[in-house]
Amino acid sequence: ELKVEQNPLFLSMQEGKNYTIYCNYSTTSDRLYWYRQDPGKSLESLFVLLSNGAVKQEGRLMASLDTKARLSTLHITAAVHDLSATYFCAVALLYGGATNKLIFGTGTLLAVQP
Amino acid sequence: DGGITQSPKYLFRKEGQNVTLSCEQNLNHDAMYWYRQDPGQGLRLIYYSQIVNDFQKGDIAEGYSVSREKKESFPLTVTSAQKNPTAFYLCASRDQGSGNQPQHFGDGTRLSIL
Repeated sequence: ELKVEQNPLFLSMQEGKNYTIYCNYSTTSDRLYWYRQDPGKSLESLFVLLSNGAVKQEGRLMASLDTKARLSTLHITAAVHDLSATYFCAVALLYGGATNKLIFGTGTLLAVQP
Repeated sequence: DGGITQSPKYLFRKEGQNVTLSCEQNLNHDAMYWYRQDPGQGLRLIYYSQIVNDFQKGDIAEGYSVSREKKESFPLTVTSAQKNPTAFYLCASRDQGSGNQPQHFGDGTRLSIL
């Protein structure tokens, strides 16, 4: 059974600081997704990581994937309040054929303090 | 604009009652999904459909039913057999022909028991 673990579960950080969220998964996968969720809202796709060593950056967020270690990281640079949200990683499995079944981590609630 | 529309936004269920959550997409996506999100947790897959008139159980299908009579629509019925229906329900869709694109999510329906 595929398990996806994120840590930390809760992260309080000051504006301007850097931090990293970790996503470990228990079985082989070649696709990993990062999503953002604001309170009471839907999920917004941030990054799609498709291969070992993949690195993607958007603004103050950078995501990477190490398929050998079964680890993805989401690095936050010089945090600002607008980044406060819950961040989920999701690992893709083929399921019933071509369908892209996602197994979600429990999420990391990020609170950026002024 | 293309997107996924879920309705209603809030729904209350009485004991012994079945309720149906609507999900409509105009993205021309083949695959559609229903997820359940409990407070402080990640998403769990209830049902998914790869094509019209076909659907498969996810990890927590008991107490739920779906139909896929049209490509655009994938309604979810929460039956009286689901003893703990209070949760946030998210519908998603994906273009399976476009490689590794992420799932796109609707804004969700929050279901509570009266």
